[in-house]
Amino acid sequence: GAGVSQTPSNKVTEKGKYVELRCDPISGHTALYWYRQSLGQGPEFLIYFQGTGAADDSGLPNDRFFAVRPEGSVSTLKIQRTERGDSAVYLCASSLTVGVLETQYFGPGTRLLVL
Amino acid sequence: KNEVEQSPQNLTAQEGEFITINCSYSVGISALHWLQQHPGGGIVSLFMLSSGKKKHGRLIATINIQEKHSSLHITASHPRDSAVYICAASGAGSYQLTFGKGTKLSVIP
Repeated sequence: GAGVSQTPSNKVTEKGKYVELRCDPISGHTALYWYRQSLGQGPEFLIYFQGTGAADDSGLPNDRFFAVRPEGSVSTLKIQRTERGDSAVYLCASSLTVGVLETQYFGPGTRLLVL
Repeated sequence: KNEVEQSPQNLTAQEGEFITINCSYSVGISALHWLQQHPGGGIVSLFMLSSGKKKHGRLIATINIQEKHSSLHITASHPRDSAVYICAASGAGSYQLTFGKGTKLSVIP
C-alpha cells in the first residue's frame, strides 16, 4: 500500500510569505505527527493529532505555526509570515494509533527554503 | 525536558566490521526508538524497545533502563548500511519523541 506522502517536496518562498505544507498519512492511521529537521540536527517534534484533534501542540515554536486535520486524514501545516529561520525539512509521520510502542511511518519530507 | 545524546557523531568503518552506536537520555522514558535516515531524507523505524534486547537480521538494539542507555549494533557491516542513525525517546506518559542529533555511518568497501 501507499506510504506517507508529503507535498510539495520542495518549497522556496520569500521572507514574510505564507506557506502550506500537506501530509497524506497511511490510510486508516489515526495518529499523525509533524516534525522539523534543521540541517545537521535530529528531527524536532512540533505537533501530533489523534483523529481530528491536536493532542499535543507543545512543539510549535510560536503562533506563526498552525496545523489542522479537519477530517482526521490529511493534515496541513501552515506557516505565516515566514522567516529565514523557518528553513528546514518538515517531516510528517503517521501511526495506526497512538501508543509508545506504535511504529511511526515517515514521509519523505518537504524541504522549505525561506529567502 | 529529556536530553538525548548520541555518540559517535560520525563513524567510518570497513566492510565487515562490527559497529556500535550509543544513545543516552536524561530522564525516564516509556520507549526508545532507533531510526535510519538515508540521504534525501527518508526515515525508517528500525526498533522500538522499552527493555532488554531486540534483533532484526544484522541489527541488534539493547537498552539498560537503570543506566538510561541504549546501543545499536550492526554485525558484518556492509556499504548499504551507510546512513544516519537516530535514536529518539518518548517520555513517560507522552507520545512526543525527543531525538538525538544522529550518527552518520559510512561503511567503506
